[in-house]
Amino acid sequence: DTGVSQNPRHKITKRGQNVTFRCDPISEHNRLYWYRQTLGQGPEFLTYFQNEAQLEKSRLLSDRFSAERPKGSFSTLEIQRTEQGDSAMYLCASSPGETGGQKTQYFGPGTRLLVL
Amino acid sequence: AQSVTQPDIHITVSEGASLELRCNYSYGATPYLFWYVQSPGQGLQLLLKYFSGDTLVQGIKGFEAEFKRSQSSFNLRKPSVHWSDAAEYFCAVAPYNNNDMRFGAGTRLTVKP
Repeated sequence: DTGVSQNPRHKITKRGQNVTFRCDPISEHNRLYWYRQTLGQGPEFLTYFQNEAQLEKSRLLSDRFSAERPKGSFSTLEIQRTEQGDSAMYLCASSPGETGGQKTQYFGPGTRLLVL
Repeated sequence: AQSVTQPDIHITVSEGASLELRCNYSYGATPYLFWYVQSPGQGLQLLLKYFSGDTLVQGIKGFEAEFKRSQSSFNLRKPSVHWSDAAEYFCAVAPYNNNDMRFGAGTRLTVKP
């Protein structure tokens, strides 16, 4: 299966610690997206990449959050000095391009973060 | 303001009954429209999408959706629900001119035996 993969699937950490999540998109998809989903809500957009360039960041992405996609393939999302409010499911998606049917986003299984 | 509304937070149907999940959007122009399904603790799986053309689109697992421009709606339907359809369903819209995909708050479907 060559779908979107995310690691780890679950992460429990203590407040103040740093965490890093990884996303591997569908190969040859040049767009990669990060979302955050809290309980009972739909996913909320955080940021996206076109190849290795980070083109847009949501206001939800505070200074403690940073995302990279160094070689235009996999991406990492790091949260520094975690807070309890960061507890959520972090979803990654990828799409082939930016127009028409290429905008369709395919999602990974998510990383569930719990900050104690 | 641009928005996506799923009016029903929770719906319960009996197995074998028909299903309709509502989705309304508010955008300046007709956006791209999607329905995703999410099982507990899992990511989102694409059910179907609408870009243009025939306003009735077929998806996976026997689902279909109808785009109605006059009502700014994109309701999801299934003629006969199976117990395995119990999940959370999300409507999503993406404008033509940017990557701001927005999701509704979701509708949780419970299927009674």
